[in-house]
Amino acid sequence: QLQLQESGPGLVKSSETLSLTCTVSGGSISSSNYYWGWIRQPPGKGLEWIGTIYYTGNTYYNPSLKSRVTISVDTPRNQFSLRLNSVTAADTALYYCARHGFSTAARYFDYWGQGSLVTVSS
Amino acid sequence: EIVLTQSPGTLSLSPGERATLSCWASQSVVSSHLVWYQQKPGQAPRLLIYGASTRATGIPDRFSGSGSGTDFTLTISRLEPEDFAVYYCHQYGSSPWTFGQGTRLEIK
Repeated sequence: QLQLQESGPGLVKSSETLSLTCTVSGGSISSSNYYWGWIRQPPGKGLEWIGTIYYTGNTYYNPSLKSRVTISVDTPRNQFSLRLNSVTAADTALYYCARHGFSTAARYFDYWGQGSLVTVSS
Repeated sequence: EIVLTQSPGTLSLSPGERATLSCWASQSVVSSHLVWYQQKPGQAPRLLIYGASTRATGIPDRFSGSGSGTDFTLTISRLEPEDFAVYYCHQYGSSPWTFGQGTRLEIK
């Protein structure tokens, strides 16, 4: 059974960089059939797609965050990572990593991690 | 960017009743590439429906999805106690992929 687990600091200071890692187990991040993405959910609010990476390193970002986001992949470790710089209180959220299909018909998120709460403090 | 608007914001019903949740898109969703998720407190979203109308593995047949273009519906035929949660629609046909703001289904 595929599992995804987010890890990283739960508290980040305003203007600094948020860093999270997603470790994938029970499957290979190098599969040609899947993308790997990050989604966030501010407390009590809805979901926002942040960005996605393919095992080759190709990335796709939400234009609303593109200037501040970097997603990278570490295939030997079966991990992918998120960096969001110049954070503010508006970036306080539960950050999820998730898998989605490569083909256009299957490009929805089917497996999710449990989420990692990141709070931005002033 | 395709904006998804869900209605109603909150739906109050009793177990055994039928629930109808709506999701409207600001532009046509490519090839009905729309899914529905269920989210319970403290849990990640759970995939219910993909391709607008196909139930995901293990999802009971009381859940059904329909629609195309800009209008989509999630129907729960007879509510069970475990169905009370927040439901999100999500389109994956056009980047940036977007989500609706959610419908909270609560026990009346």
